[in-house]
Amino acid sequence: IAGITQAPTSQILAAGRRMTLRCTQDMRHNAMYWYRQDLGLGLRLIHYSNTAGTTGKGEVPDGYSVSRANTDDFPLTLASAVPSQTSVYFCASRDFASGKSFFGPGTRLTVL
Amino acid sequence: AQTVTQSQPEMSVQEAETVTLSCTYDTSENNYYLFWYKQPPSRQMILVIRQEAYKQQNATENRFSVNFQKAAKSFSLKISDSQLGDTAMYFCAFMKLGSNYKLTFGKGTLLTVNP
Repeated sequence: IAGITQAPTSQILAAGRRMTLRCTQDMRHNAMYWYRQDLGLGLRLIHYSNTAGTTGKGEVPDGYSVSRANTDDFPLTLASAVPSQTSVYFCASRDFASGKSFFGPGTRLTVL
Repeated sequence: AQTVTQSQPEMSVQEAETVTLSCTYDTSENNYYLFWYKQPPSRQMILVIRQEAYKQQNATENRFSVNFQKAAKSFSLKISDSQLGDTAMYFCAFMKLGSNYKLTFGKGTLLTVNP
């Protein structure tokens, strides 16, 4: 089934721990994105990648890193989690032809 | 930088009636797309409708239509014949063409459809 998968679905994490959120798409889209969703703030861009091998910073990149070794995978890493990183994280990819962005099901992360 | 404003944090509508959700945006760009996304309690982000800024004709998708006023920088969503399944958070989003094509979202409007 074509689409975007994210893992884990949810996670509780102790502050200071390292965590990688996984994202995989099978639509062969070049562009991929990580957003975080917080109540009352909507979705905000953390990092993006226009194509494999390139990444860029979004609106709220501090405390996060990404890599794009291939077209399909775009993992997001929290090197040392803090409680303010408690959020729902969405991975997305964009279809160049239509301009439409497609979202994964999200990961709910709680940092204690 | 672009900003998107949704001035209605919450709205409610009776089943089968029509409701309009408001969205305004601020940009100096001329080439962009606008979107409405729906997020039901399942958390999934679902694209409802898309509008290209260069098109004067308002986009329509079944019961969903937009009123795009480029000069006023307004992009409202009209839902006709509201259904219980339309209950969701609705986000307006702006995409500048070129650069990273990122989406800038409004803070959302929670729509409740009452039976």
